[in-house]
Amino acid sequence: QQQVKQSPQSLIVQKGGISIINCAYENTAFDYFPWYQQFPGKGPALLIAIRPDVSEKKEGRFTISFNKSAKQFSLHIMDSQPGDSATYFCAAGRNYGQNFVFGPGTRLSVLP
Amino acid sequence: DAGVTQSPTHLIKTRGQQVTLRCSPISGHKSVSWYQQVLGQGPQFIFQYYEKEERGRGNFPDRFSARQFPNYSSELNVNALLLGDSALYLCASSLAPGAVVNTGELFFGEGSRLTVL
Repeated sequence: QQQVKQSPQSLIVQKGGISIINCAYENTAFDYFPWYQQFPGKGPALLIAIRPDVSEKKEGRFTISFNKSAKQFSLHIMDSQPGDSATYFCAAGRNYGQNFVFGPGTRLSVLP
Repeated sequence: DAGVTQSPTHLIKTRGQQVTLRCSPISGHKSVSWYQQVLGQGPQFIFQYYEKEERGRGNFPDRFSARQFPNYSSELNVNALLLGDSALYLCASSLAPGAVVNTGELFFGEGSRLTVL
């Protein structure tokens, strides 16, 4: 019940295209869903996060869509840029604490 | 302002040895967590400490231990190293455990890459 599934494992997108990464969780106690971006040799950095009381959150080119009934959430990157090339992790957590469960990651490559 | 700092950045050990990894949180942050990231996988929660007390423990053997000091810095110790302990060990800090959810402020360091031969 603690697992977070993430797909695809890798993604190649042309510059200006839309990148979509999907995640699914099982534990209904989770109520915080962040996305992290990680560049090689760096630690993960928070990109955007959502709580289950909203179905969508947008920050610049990044949008999270959340489907509570399906226990799924996704990250959309609009107008993808080569600088977005990184590994993206979805995660899920409970209302208190830092015990996040991370997905296995998606390696995004944006071609110039 | 300095972010989360970890040391050493890289280290190589042999099986059976012991290792100590260190973490200094962002100034003002009182909560520290440790994660293990095996190559090609997502980070996996090991420990959380707040105000020097353990607040959470992941599914790791007793060979893994940690502590937090009065200045909120932290150490992760791993005894009797196994080949499978080779990974990037990440430290993350936040103001307090609940602050992560309320503000999203969980900051990761760049990690300590441990190789066990």
